[in-house]
Amino acid sequence: GEDVEQSLFLSVREGDSSVINCTYTDSSSTYLYWYKQEPGAGLQLLTYIFSNMDMKQDQRLTVLLNKKDKHLSLRIADTQTGDSAIYFCAEFSSNTGKLIFGQGTTLQVKP
Amino acid sequence: DAMVIQNPRYQVTQFGKPVTLSCSQTLNHNVMYWYQQKSSQAPKLLFHYYDKDFNNEADTPDNFQSRRPNTSFCFLDIRSPGLGDAAMYLCATSRPRTGTYYEQYFGPGTRLTVT
Repeated sequence: GEDVEQSLFLSVREGDSSVINCTYTDSSSTYLYWYKQEPGAGLQLLTYIFSNMDMKQDQRLTVLLNKKDKHLSLRIADTQTGDSAIYFCAEFSSNTGKLIFGQGTTLQVKP
Repeated sequence: DAMVIQNPRYQVTQFGKPVTLSCSQTLNHNVMYWYQQKSSQAPKLLFHYYDKDFNNEADTPDNFQSRRPNTSFCFLDIRSPGLGDAAMYLCATSRPRTGTYYEQYFGPGTRLTVT
């Protein structure tokens, strides 16, 4: 079945770059997403990438997609304390018509 | 601004006492979803509506029901909440998945506590 996996925790210093990684199994994925969840809040879409793209850049965010290895990453440049949150990778499965979420990566940004 | 609204943001109910969570949207989307998210876990899809068509996930307990009286509103009813039902409940909406782009828009969630 479909599965999305992420590392659970990442700690960086303010001003450094953060890289959050994700792997997925469904080769029918058409879109892959990164959501941000702050404590006690809902999911906020940060960015997405279409499966025929290798890279997408949006201000401080860079998404890299390696479709052959089914690997997705989110790079946050110049990480700020306000970036501290849980980041969820998700794929849209064309097979099931559903979003499949990873378990989330907690990003801790130290001053 | 077009958005997904959930009320209340925090709900406390007693063990076994029925509770209803509410979601409304101004996006005029056909599809509405309910997710359950327990602490430090991924959101888990409970069910969704495509217009008036209800689609239940196979592993959603019978204790969870939903109603969608019109395009804008969708309710989650928990008939007899147990302690294990304490979680964040997220509502989301989307257009149908045909077309060039697909995204789910999430509400802020309702945190349910069961005492």
